[in-house]
Amino acid sequence: NAGVTQTPKFQVLKTGQSMTLQCAQDMNHNSMYWYRQDPGMGLRLIYYSASEGTTDKGEVPNGYNVSRLNKREFSLRLESAAPSQTSVYFCASSEPRDPKVRVYGYTFGSGTRLTVV
Amino acid sequence: SQQGEEDPQALSIQEGENATMNCSYKTSINNLQWYRQNSGRGLVHLILIRSNEREKHSGRLRVTLDTSKKSSSLLITASRAADTASYFCATDRYNTDKLIFGTGTRLQVFP
Repeated sequence: NAGVTQTPKFQVLKTGQSMTLQCAQDMNHNSMYWYRQDPGMGLRLIYYSASEGTTDKGEVPNGYNVSRLNKREFSLRLESAAPSQTSVYFCASSEPRDPKVRVYGYTFGSGTRLTVV
Repeated sequence: SQQGEEDPQALSIQEGENATMNCSYKTSINNLQWYRQNSGRGLVHLILIRSNEREKHSGRLRVTLDTSKKSSSLLITASRAADTASYFCATDRYNTDKLIFGTGTRLQVFP
C-alpha cells in the first residue's frame, strides 16, 4: 500500500548510544517531516525537508540531525541519546509545499517508539 | 511552542450523541486541519479548511473556522464507538510550510 514507512517500530537505547530512524514514502511527495510526540502533548516538529537536498529546523531540533537521502527517504539521527529523547517519533510527507494551494493533509507513518534508559 | 490548544482535553459520550471539540490558535494561517489518532497508531487526516472558508462538511464531520477569533470547532454527529480516539487540530502558518499541532482532545465513545 502507498504511504509512509518507518523503521524500526520499537527501539531501546542506552544513554549515549546513537541510532538512525528511517523513513521512506512512495507518494512522490516533495516535503517530509519528523515529529515527536510526548504524553499529554501534541506533535512537535523536529526537522523538515521541503525538497530533496534541503533541510530546516523545526521547534525542537536540539540533539537530532537529519538527512534527506533522496526524494523518497528522510532519516533522523540521534548522535548521543538522552532519556529526554524517550518519545514516539513520527515521519510524515505532504504535497504540495505551498500551503495556500494544499488540498490534502499530511500522510503519517505508524511511528517509532523509542526508549532511552 | 504549540500553535493550537484543543478544548476540552478529554470528552466522554454515549454512542449516538454528538461530540464537539474546539481549537484555538495564535497566528495567521493558510489553512487548518483536523487529524485523528487511534491509540498507538499514526495520525490520519480528516479534513482541511482554508482560511477563507467558514464551514466544511465531510460525512459525519462538520468543521467551522472563525479567523477573527482564531478558533475552529470539529463536530462529530451520531458518534460511534469506533470514533474513540484523540483528535488534533493543526495549522499551516501563513508564509511557511510547517504544520503545527495542538495538544489534542481524547474522545471516548461508550457503546
